[in-house]
Amino acid sequence: GAVVSQHPSWVICKSGTSVKIECRSLDFQATTMFWYRQFPKQSLMLMATSNEGSKATYEQGVEKDKFLINHASLTLSTLTVTSAHPEDSSFYICSAIPDRAAEQYFGPGTRLTVT
Amino acid sequence: AQSVTQLDSHVSVSEGTPVLLRCNYSSSYSPSLFWYVQHPNKGLQLLLKYTSAATLVKGINGFEAEFKKSETSFHLTKPSAHMSDAAEYFCVVSGNSGYALNFGKGTSLLVTP
Repeated sequence: GAVVSQHPSWVICKSGTSVKIECRSLDFQATTMFWYRQFPKQSLMLMATSNEGSKATYEQGVEKDKFLINHASLTLSTLTVTSAHPEDSSFYICSAIPDRAAEQYFGPGTRLTVT
Repeated sequence: AQSVTQLDSHVSVSEGTPVLLRCNYSSSYSPSLFWYVQHPNKGLQLLLKYTSAATLVKGINGFEAEFKKSETSFHLTKPSAHMSDAAEYFCVVSGNSGYALNFGKGTSLLVTP
């Protein structure tokens, strides 16, 4: 089956620093990737949708300048949390699809803790 | 707008007994509905999906769900729970774009020996 990886699986950073999370589709080319955020014991909230080679589309309420998304190739999307604060601590999950009609394949998630 | 409501945040069953996880949906058009399972430290896995074909959908690991338009429901069932079924389950509806997903709040399934 299609595999999506994320790196790192967990990261701790200090308040005010930036952290980058990578999402890779390992065995297919992803025309579209999605970034979700999940708070403890809560549901996944879609943050943004990114298409290869174009700017990401952010959901309402998500700060574009804080959560920078780059989908530079058909197998890699990155999420950079800039000037991180403790309230950014969360579980970030990406997913990818080979085409619009396909199901989404999810990565295992990245646990971010901002101290 | 499309949304789903999972009626139970926690469900506890004994091993070998039936499982019922309830989900109601709201959609302005004929929706695509999904059930995903999330095990600790693992990626979300698709259990099954409904896309306007047969109303009774069979998925992996013995799970199935029935789309009932009159009740706007898409409940997930399994005849006999296994210890390995303990996980978080999400009912999901496709969003306005047709492929972005809207997740329910999740139901935590506990299976006791």
